[in-house]
Amino acid sequence: DAGVTQSPTHLIKTRGQQVTLRCSPKSGHDTVSWYQQALGQGPQFIFQYYEEEERQRGNFPDRFSGHQFPNYSSELNVNALLLGDSALYLCASSLVPGTNYGYTFGSGTRLTVV
Amino acid sequence: AQKITQTQPGMFVQEKEAVTLDCTYDTSDQSYGLFWYKQPSSGEMIFLIYQGSYDEQNATEGRYSLNFQKARKSANLVISASQLGDSAMYFCAMRDYGQNFVFGPGTRLSVLP
Repeated sequence: DAGVTQSPTHLIKTRGQQVTLRCSPKSGHDTVSWYQQALGQGPQFIFQYYEEEERQRGNFPDRFSGHQFPNYSSELNVNALLLGDSALYLCASSLVPGTNYGYTFGSGTRLTVV
Repeated sequence: AQKITQTQPGMFVQEKEAVTLDCTYDTSDQSYGLFWYKQPSSGEMIFLIYQGSYDEQNATEGRYSLNFQKARKSANLVISASQLGDSAMYFCAMRDYGQNFVFGPGTRLSVLP
């Protein structure tokens, strides 16, 4: 039973570019959340998708956007990249929003902006 | 707003000994969950243990136990019989029902042979 899979694992982008990160949730899960983890810090919540809609959002600018597909997979898009966007981006999936159990994280995508 | 504080940036422990990682939290909510996650260098957040705010007994999961002191708003993680594979970052987090996680800054644990 595959867990949460994220792609790519690493990528390097130039300041000002746009990037798309992808996440496939754990089998049976329908809710996807995204987190940004800067070096040396704990993860920070970006947003959550359920039923193909953004349900909750953290304190991140509109440059961060997302999408959820009918198969529950999700994308995180970041426009006009800044050096400060360099971080590990973690995707987590769960069965319906709000549950405290079965919340599963992927291994993340490490984004470097140069 | 919820906040998690972890005051130990790094900890060292001898193999086979027990270690306590500190966590204090701040919330005005009555119902919440407290979690500990382990993050090895691979990046994946690995769930260790959960404590609900209304649970009267401290949670235990194998070698992990959570020392929950609600009045002091603390949720310390105790790892017994440390192993070399326990070396990693450890994050304390809290979550309201329906909300997403708020994480602390983490503690880097190094287990010495």
